[in-house]
Amino acid sequence: SQTIHQWPATLVQPVGSPLSLECTVEGTSNPNLYWYRQAAGRGLQLLFYSVGIGQISSEVPQNLSASRPQDRQFILSSKKLLLSDSGFYLCACSPSPSGRADNEQFFGPGTRLTVL
Amino acid sequence: GNSVTQMEGPVTLSEEAFLTINCTYTATGYPSLFWYVQYPGEGLQLLLKATKADDKGSNKGFEATYRKETTSFHLEKGSVQVSDSAVYFCALSPGFQKLVFGTGTRLLVSP
Repeated sequence: SQTIHQWPATLVQPVGSPLSLECTVEGTSNPNLYWYRQAAGRGLQLLFYSVGIGQISSEVPQNLSASRPQDRQFILSSKKLLLSDSGFYLCACSPSPSGRADNEQFFGPGTRLTVL
Repeated sequence: GNSVTQMEGPVTLSEEAFLTINCTYTATGYPSLFWYVQYPGEGLQLLLKATKADDKGSNKGFEATYRKETTSFHLEKGSVQVSDSAVYFCALSPGFQKLVFGTGTRLLVSP
């Protein structure tokens, strides 16, 4: 079964600093990968998803970007953080890229980002 | 469009009480429906799912039935435990390998 690793687990960064969050997946090949943000007291917002190496789709306009340099590696970045970027960032994978509607997603442990 | 509406929390119950968390959805086509659970400080875990109308998903004493006529997927458990305290998310998959989540409902169970 798949395992999702995220690091760091927590991060405190000043406004205007860069960001790099990493997600790696074990136990599956060619997964779909996702980045979500969960703001305090709110639901999950899909930020990016990827169906393959170098293929990134953005769901919402923002100052964040994502990259997928390897099949099982997904990176979330920013050149300059904003206060509003604070939140809990979750990486997820869907191990079956068949497009079936019943594909469940498996989530990593998350990274809590605080921007001061 | 596709959307999920959950009851606002927190839901506060005593141990062994009956739990219902309401979830209704709007979707085009025939989505699959999911309940995920998030324990404090952790990521989400799939709790149960249903892929077509009248299907009942169940796991760990929780269950939910896919009701197409009322566009609902309410989560129920007959007797909650303190360890069930968490945030519960209802979600739908309209296909295209994406999930649409509700805003989550926090459950607090006291001894």
